[in-house]
Amino acid sequence: QSVLTQPPSVSAAPGQRVTISCSGSSFNIGNNYVSWYQQLPGTAPKVLIYDNDRRPSGIPDRFSGSKFGTSATLGITGLQTGDEADYYCGTWDSSLSGYVFGTGTKVTVL
Amino acid sequence: QVQLQESGPGLVKPSQTLSLTCSVSGVSISSGSYYWSWIRQPAGKGLEWIGRIYSSGTTNYNPSLKSRVTISVDTSKNQFSLRLRSVTATDTAVYYCARLLHPDISAGWWLDPWGQGTLVTVSS
Repeated sequence: QSVLTQPPSVSAAPGQRVTISCSGSSFNIGNNYVSWYQQLPGTAPKVLIYDNDRRPSGIPDRFSGSKFGTSATLGITGLQTGDEADYYCGTWDSSLSGYVFGTGTKVTVL
Repeated sequence: QVQLQESGPGLVKPSQTLSLTCSVSGVSISSGSYYWSWIRQPAGKGLEWIGRIYSSGTTNYNPSLKSRVTISVDTSKNQFSLRLRSVTATDTAVYYCARLLHPDISAGWWLDPWGQGTLVTVSS
């Protein structure tokens, strides 16, 4: 059972913007940095955002991250059909002494 | 370029032990501020972190699996391994290995890169 809660799905038309929320607690998001992962169908997850809002090299600036309190948000602008995937947030949980993932959000491009 | 590759049996009988190995290339498993992790994903479900190991052998496990899991490291082979005992059908999943980054105490934790994953089915 995930300790981080995400909406099951979000959708928008090509070119539009979507946001995905990730809600946690003071044991995880509230006191640790958040990362975001993209999992394209049939592939392994790939990091999109780390340290709340930093992008690894090669990740387009259409992807952005933010954190406020015990929640984090992933934003995707200029939505493309290739963005259809499952997205997961992740962070360290100090209470569990382990890494935790969000429940996952499926992005659909209409 | 750092790469990870999982290997091991794709079929394990109930009550037996699941054993997987992750081979790391492009970086020494002993170097840097790196931990090495296992994650799993049942078909159609979300990601579950299994545990991590440092090159020194220090480990942390998901509390829900701690009683059945052992992660070990072989620095001479640049590999780390997962053993999950007393498996049942609920352990059927794609198992991933990944590098867990934590550059310094003021930074966060994130997983990059990931291996391609290997499907393990628990069935008689």
